[in-house]
Amino acid sequence: GAVVSQHPSRVICKSGTSVKIECRSLDFQATTMFWYRQFPKQSLMLMATSNEGSKATYEQGVEKDKFLINHASLTLSTLTVTSAHPEDSSFYICSARGEAGGPSYNEQFFGPGTRLTVL
Amino acid sequence: QKEVEQDPGPLSVPEGAIVSLNCTYSNSAFQYFMWYRQYSRKGPELLMYTYSSGNKEDGRFTAQVDKSSKYISLFIRDSQPSDSATYLCATPPQGGSEKLVFGKGTKLTVNP
Repeated sequence: GAVVSQHPSRVICKSGTSVKIECRSLDFQATTMFWYRQFPKQSLMLMATSNEGSKATYEQGVEKDKFLINHASLTLSTLTVTSAHPEDSSFYICSARGEAGGPSYNEQFFGPGTRLTVL
Repeated sequence: QKEVEQDPGPLSVPEGAIVSLNCTYSNSAFQYFMWYRQYSRKGPELLMYTYSSGNKEDGRFTAQVDKSSKYISLFIRDSQPSDSATYLCATPPQGGSEKLVFGKGTKLTVNP
């Protein structure tokens, strides 16, 4: 149980284009999902917290107009990198908080990540 | 000072060795600590979850928290090549599972 998937696993795009990354909780409902970014040899940095049906909460320094987050259902959150540039190239990882009221509510389950390369 | 600091490694050990991975944290109010394992090009997976001081054991893995020195450790006994991965310590600064703060990670290689 508690499987989180991401799609695509890898994407290469041209500078100036937009890229959408999907994060799905496959066997549980996740009211809260998180989006992280990880640069090579660096740790995971939280970008934003996404709650189903409400606006995402962005961390300081993360441009909300550039990184659009939508959490329209209890099993799906999307991150859209708008007008991507080479410096946005990174490993994007989502996580989902365990189902409310369940034994794993205080645990985050991570997706496999999406490697974005902007040319 | 960063909230969580972690020995950068990399660490290379022979198969069967005991591995010690360590982190320090800055705020004595932190209560929950996690260790995640991340294989190359994959998302992290939770290994151990501890609360407060003391030891917690799960198979070959032991997590230790020393609140007096704000030091957390993960020990791996009888290390295997399959343990080769990056290990990250993490804590939720505000309690619960919101806003996990991660250490940089220590890359471990276990040589057969």
